[in-house]
Amino acid sequence: KQEVTQIPAALSVPEGENLVLNCSFTDSAIYNLQWFRQDPGKGLTSLLLIQSSQREQTSGRLNASLDKSSGRSTLYIAASQPGDSATYLCAVLTSGTYKYIFGTGTRLKVLA
Amino acid sequence: NAGVTQTPKFRVLKTGQSMTLLCAQDMNHEYMYWYRQDPGMGLRLIHYSVGEGTTAKGEVPDGYNVSRLKKQNFLLGLESAAPSQTSVYFCASSYAWDRGLDQPQHFGDGTRLSIL
Repeated sequence: KQEVTQIPAALSVPEGENLVLNCSFTDSAIYNLQWFRQDPGKGLTSLLLIQSSQREQTSGRLNASLDKSSGRSTLYIAASQPGDSATYLCAVLTSGTYKYIFGTGTRLKVLA
Repeated sequence: NAGVTQTPKFRVLKTGQSMTLLCAQDMNHEYMYWYRQDPGMGLRLIHYSVGEGTTAKGEVPDGYNVSRLKKQNFLLGLESAAPSQTSVYFCASSYAWDRGLDQPQHFGDGTRLSIL
């Protein structure tokens, strides 16, 4: 059974710092992995999707990497801003299923 | 472009009452999902659909039923509401995996449901 873990659960950093959020999964037979952002009281917004054949994806200040063999993905946020404050979730789609399994998220606070 | 729209946004029910949550998407997505989000437990899949007229169980289907009579709509029903079903419910949709298109899930803003 696929399990997804995100560490740390919460993170507080000063504005301008580069930071890394971690996601680990137990079954390496995945189809893709997504990183989402969730603002309080809102739904999830997809930030980056990495297919199993890819090593990384980039969008603006965000870079997500995938290491299937070790069951890990990282989300790198460059030059963090207060507007980046949100909860970040990763979700894994295991091969042969239609079901995304979500981690419990990392709650990020960027201090001005 | 509305994306994924969930109605209602908030609802309070008494134990034993029934209700239906509506999800509508205007992106011609094949796949649709219902999740519930509880503190400390992340999002858990209740039911999903890979096409009009088809539905399947997710991780936590007990106490819920779903229907997908039209491609754009996915309904979640609570047959006899229980306090344990107090949660935030999210609907999501995406293209089918075999369409060769980018396949991120698009989420609605959620329905906050309280069962007294």
